[in-house]
Amino acid sequence: ETGVTQSPTHLIKTRGQQVTLRCSSQSGHNTVSWYQQALGQGPQFIFQYYREEENGRGNFPPRFSGLQFPNYSSELNVNALELDDSALYLCASSSRQGPGELFFGEGSRLTVL
Amino acid sequence: GQSLEQPSEVTAVEGAIVQINCTYQTSGFYGLSWYQQHDGGAPTFLSYNALDGLEETGRFSSFLSRSDSYGYLLLQELQMKDSASYFCAVRDRGQNFVFGPGTRLSVLP
Repeated sequence: ETGVTQSPTHLIKTRGQQVTLRCSSQSGHNTVSWYQQALGQGPQFIFQYYREEENGRGNFPPRFSGLQFPNYSSELNVNALELDDSALYLCASSSRQGPGELFFGEGSRLTVL
Repeated sequence: GQSLEQPSEVTAVEGAIVQINCTYQTSGFYGLSWYQQHDGGAPTFLSYNALDGLEETGRFSSFLSRSDSYGYLLLQELQMKDSASYFCAVRDRGQNFVFGPGTRLSVLP
């Protein structure tokens, strides 16, 4: 069983730039969620994708956008990067029929200078 | 609004029992999960309560009281490797989860 994988693991950008983060979900999972985790805080829900459509969104501006592909992998795109976007971005996959368990990847650590 | 509260830090010694509490106020509620996260690692699932009562999984147990909007994680026979951050998370709809701020557990020898 293949776990959740994310890429890249670390990246550095400057203010105003754009970034794309990628996630491959666990085999058999059709739902992908993205979370932002600032240092010392809990993960904050960005949005969720199910069957290639956004299926819930947290309190994040439109410059945070995403995609889900037919193989259930996903991308998170952030435009016009701000310093406060520096965080660990976590992807989690799950099954709609599951008991509420999220399987997280190791995350992509973004630093915005 | 939605909010979850947890103690920020807990310290205990090896072999002891520790309880981490979580209270929540959310617009919807389908269940309460607990996750463990070691420094530099990904959160890993520990337990999920959809109904009131106690769920036991090895050394870890989790309790939920929906009428009190309250739950806790109980860790028994503490080991050094249990030193980590612990997060409660409310499933508010579908597969959407709202996470608490986390409790940092330090286990001392």
